[in-house]
Amino acid sequence: QVQLVQSGAEVKKPGASVKVSCKASGYTFTGYYMHWVRQAPGQGLEWMGRINPNSGGTNYAQKFQGRVTMTRDTSISTAYMELSRLRSDDTAVYYCARAVVVVAATRFDYWGQGTLVTVSS
Amino acid sequence: DIQMTQSPSSLSASVGDRVTITCRASQSISSYLNWYQQKPGKAPKLLIYAASSLQSGVPSRFSGSGSGTDFTLTISSLQPEDFATYYCQQSYSTLGFTFGPGTKVDIK
Repeated sequence: QVQLVQSGAEVKKPGASVKVSCKASGYTFTGYYMHWVRQAPGQGLEWMGRINPNSGGTNYAQKFQGRVTMTRDTSISTAYMELSRLRSDDTAVYYCARAVVVVAATRFDYWGQGTLVTVSS
Repeated sequence: DIQMTQSPSSLSASVGDRVTITCRASQSISSYLNWYQQKPGKAPKLLIYAASSLQSGVPSRFSGSGSGTDFTLTISSLQPEDFATYYCQQSYSTLGFTFGPGTKVDIK
């Protein structure tokens, strides 16, 4: 069965960086894009970007360009999302989500459990 | 960027009610529209993809319709486990898979 297991909660100071991992199992890791979505407390879902685990190619939301880096390690079927220069409004739950693409239509069919990142001085 | 709006932002309904949620895109997105359900403290769950296709394992009381800019999610007979927040998402633009702001469905 498909599973995405994320790393644990983090507390960071403003200006620091955080790196969240997402370990995939139950499917061919390189066969599906991995996306990252975040959700601030009490707020909606915000797409951050995606990585092609096969090529390592990435696309980032304009809002996060220059601050986010998505990488992967195919040997351990794990995707990573690193966000730098953290601010208090980066406090959120960060999710990884597997994307299925059929006839150019993308949907997120499996999600990680979420990782709470708290930015506080 | 494609902007997504949803209405209403919240609604109160009773078990057994028919519930309709609307999602509108700022430009035509054909049928590249997904619906997700999210319960407190949980990850979102895919319900409907490509505007009207039911994800495997999702009850048939959920249905989706629409194309272009206007879309609808319908729950034909609301069940206790359906009280949650619902989000639409466009997948037309690969530059940003934008979500709607969400519709919270709670108990009347």
